[in-house]
Order: sequence, then C-alpha cells, then structure tokens
Amino acid sequence: QEQLVESGGGVVQPGRSLRLSCAASGFSFSNYGMHWVRQAPGKGLEWVAVISYDGAGKNYADSVKGRFTVSRDNSKNTLYLQMDSLRAEDTALYYCAKGAGNWYFDLWGRGTLVTVSS
Amino acid sequence: EIVMTQSPVTLSVSPGERATLSCRASQSVSSYLAWYQQKPGQAPRLLIYGASSRAAGIPARFSGSGSGTEFTLTISSLQSEDSAVYYCQQYNTRATFGGGTKVEIK
Repeated sequence: QEQLVESGGGVVQPGRSLRLSCAASGFSFSNYGMHWVRQAPGKGLEWVAVISYDGAGKNYADSVKGRFTVSRDNSKNTLYLQMDSLRAEDTALYYCAKGAGNWYFDLWGRGTLVTVSS
Repeated sequence: EIVMTQSPVTLSVSPGERATLSCRASQSVSSYLAWYQQKPGQAPRLLIYGASSRAAGIPARFSGSGSGTEFTLTISSLQSEDSAVYYCQQYNTRATFGGGTKVEIK
C-alpha cells in the first residue's frame, strides 16, 4: 500500500544543519508533487515546502525561505529537506506529504522529530 | 497570507449526537478547502477536499460544506473513534491551516 517514511531527525544546535529524508512506496512517486509540513510540540500544522513532480518547481514558507532546500530523487523514490541555519523555532515534527493534484495532502508519513537546542 | 480561523477550540459532544465545526478564511478561497483528522500520536488523515468531497474510505457521517470564506465540517452521528483534533486547510493560495478544533466525547 501507499506509504511514506521519514528519517533523519534528531537534536541539533542552533545554526547547524540537518537533512531529512522521506522514502515513498506503493505509488508512482515521480508523478506527484511532494510537500513538507511541520508541527511544533503541542501546536498546529504549518506548511513548509513543496517540490513539483519533476523537481523543476519549488516553493517555501516565508519562515524557512533561504534556509531550507527541498529536493527529490525520483530514481530512489525519495524526498529530501536540507535544513541550514537552524533556529529554536524550527523545533517540530516534520511530516512529508503527497500532494493530491492541488495543494492538499492525501497521504502523510508518521513524521521525524527535529529538536534545535544548545 | 490567508489566515484560517477555526471555532470552537474544543467541542464536547455525546455519542450519536451531531458535531458541527467551523472554519473561516480571511479572504475567499473559493472551494479550495480541505479537512483533516489527527488523533494523538498519529499523522493527519485527509477527510474532505474541495470543501465537500469525501476522501477515499471516509465514512459517510463526515460531510463538508461552504465556499468563499465560511466552511463547516459536520459529523452526523459522533462515534467514540471520532475523538481527535480536526484541522481545516486552504489551498487557494499556497497552503495554510487553521488552529484546530478538538472534539471530545461527552
């Protein structure tokens, strides 16, 4: 069945970098735009970034623009999020999500936790 | 940025009763509105898209309505497994979520 599995989270100091991965299976990964959405502890959902099916188009939330980079490898069915210059406010559970044509999300992973702390 | 406001913050409903959740957009989002259910420790699950279309496998007791700036999610006969936080999300202009409504079983 369709599945998304995130990895790469952990504890990192402010100003450092981290790369998240999301492995997709059970669907034609290369046909879909993919998103990252995050949820700070005890808080609501915040959309972070999107990448088009072929990787040519990317868009970011203002809160991460210039610091985060989304990419994908369709040969490996994998989505990535490179996070640089991390801040305490980036602490969150990061979900990858499959775009359903428009910018809503019909499949989510279980998330990977990123904690930015000194 | 389009701001989404959900009300109430918490809703307590008896089993078998109707639950009505509201979502308001700061400007028109046409029908580009989705609803998600999130249970503790789980990822969100898509319930409704296009304001009123049920996602695959979603029970018929969940229905969505509205357009423009005012939207409603209705659970016609609340079941114990419906206890969760519900989020609305607009996708007319990028994507923004409401703050959520927690549905409790009375």
